[in-house]
Amino acid sequence: QSALTQPRSVSGSPGQSVTISCTGTGSDVGNYDYVSWYQQHPGTAPKLVIYDVNKRPSGVPDRFSGSKSGNTASLTISGLQTEDEAYYYCCSYAGFYTLPFVFGTGTKVSVL
Amino acid sequence: QVQLVQSGAEVKKPGASVKVSCKASGYTFTGDYIHWVRQAPGQGLEWMGWINPNSGSTNSAQNFQGRITMTRDTSINTAYMELSRLTSDDTAMYYCARVGARYSDNYFDYWGQGTLVIVSS
Repeated sequence: QSALTQPRSVSGSPGQSVTISCTGTGSDVGNYDYVSWYQQHPGTAPKLVIYDVNKRPSGVPDRFSGSKSGNTASLTISGLQTEDEAYYYCCSYAGFYTLPFVFGTGTKVSVL
Repeated sequence: QVQLVQSGAEVKKPGASVKVSCKASGYTFTGDYIHWVRQAPGQGLEWMGWINPNSGSTNSAQNFQGRITMTRDTSINTAYMELSRLTSDDTAMYYCARVGARYSDNYFDYWGQGTLVIVSS
C-alpha cells in the first residue's frame, strides 16, 4: 500500500487560510471516514489535531478543520498563526488486518 | 494525564537487535492498543505494528514481518518493540502511540517522546 499523497509545502501569511490535501485510494481514504491529521514541530513527537475526518481533540484550536471528498481529505488552517508552522501528516485507516494505517507524505506549512 | 515514556537512544551495529520500551501511565494499560511508528531522518511516518496489551496479540506491517517482535508486561504497564537484523536503513526515531480499543478508534491520540535508534558500524 502506497503512502497518501500530500503537497510538499504550503505557505501563507499570518491570518490567512491554508489547505493541505491528502489523496489516497478507494481502499483507504475513500473507504473509511477515519482520516486523522498530525502536527509535528521539529524535534518533537506528532500531535493529533483532527480525527475521524473532521473532529478536533480537546485543546486543539477551532481554526483547524478537516473534510473529505471521495479519495481526498483536506486539512484547513484558518487564521494562520506563527506557531502553526510545522509539518503536517494525514493518516487513513485501511482495514484491521492488512496495513491498518497509511500515512501521508507530509506537508511543510510555512508562515511567511 | 495520559503519558507514554520511552527508553533512551540506542546505537547498534548492523545485524544486531534493538529493544525499545514504552511505559504507559494515566489510563488503563490493557484497555487500549499500543502502536509503533517510525520516522527516518528527514522522512515521513511509517506504521510498523500494534499490540493488544490485554491479550498480547500483535499485527505488523509486511515490511517488518519476521524482524519485529512486540511484547508487553502488564505488571509494569510497559510495551516493548524489538527489531532484529538491523541495517542502516533502520536508523530512525521510533515512536509508540496509543489507539483506543473501540472499533471506531482509528487514530493515535497520545504519543511517546520517541527513541532514536542509530545503526552504524
